[in-house]
Amino acid sequence: EPEVTQTPSHQVTQMGQEVILRCVPISNHLYFYWYRQILGQKVEFLVSFYNNEISEKSEIFDDQFSVERPDGSNFTLKIRSTKLEDSAMYFCASSEALPKDTQYFGPGTRLTVL
Amino acid sequence: QKEVEQNSGPLSVPEGAIASLNCTYSDRGSQSFFWYRQYSGKSPELIMSIYSNGDKEDGRFTAQLNKASQYVSLLIRDSQPSDSATYLCAVKGNQGGKLIFGQGTELSVKP
Repeated sequence: EPEVTQTPSHQVTQMGQEVILRCVPISNHLYFYWYRQILGQKVEFLVSFYNNEISEKSEIFDDQFSVERPDGSNFTLKIRSTKLEDSAMYFCASSEALPKDTQYFGPGTRLTVL
Repeated sequence: QKEVEQNSGPLSVPEGAIASLNCTYSDRGSQSFFWYRQYSGKSPELIMSIYSNGDKEDGRFTAQLNKASQYVSLLIRDSQPSDSATYLCAVKGNQGGKLIFGQGTELSVKP
């Protein structure tokens, strides 16, 4: 069964450093998403991506965040200068074209900012 | 502020019983509704989606949607200890694809 994959599973970084989180969505999916979940809190939407551009972003997704689909398979989330409060689980998700809008989540990357 | 509300629990049920999980949402224009299961430290795993008023059954799971009351529920029949997890209600509006999640309800099924 196709699944979303994410690397790395755990990333530890120093405050102020740049990190890139990687995702490989399900191959025939066209919509891609990043969510985050701070420990003990809700899953929060960050950004959605379709047709090689951002289709929607949340208030959390400020100038320090960016997304890219550098090739036909990978989807990345870059955090330019990490802060302590960026420590969270980051989930990538993908879905087929509408109306099949069910989003399937990857296993997540746990980001720890020291 | 579009919100999704769930009782955080924990909800404790004996093995074999029916577990009932509830969710309300504030955006009347919401079109798609999902239940995900999340084990501790893991990612959300899709259980069911529902789009129309009424009931939708899949094995031991039944999702119920009432758009007039802005209410979604999930029933788990013959609950098993392996069902112990946090259940997340997620709602998608009529514009864009983002999911808005509730806080989740922690379910504990006691043997």
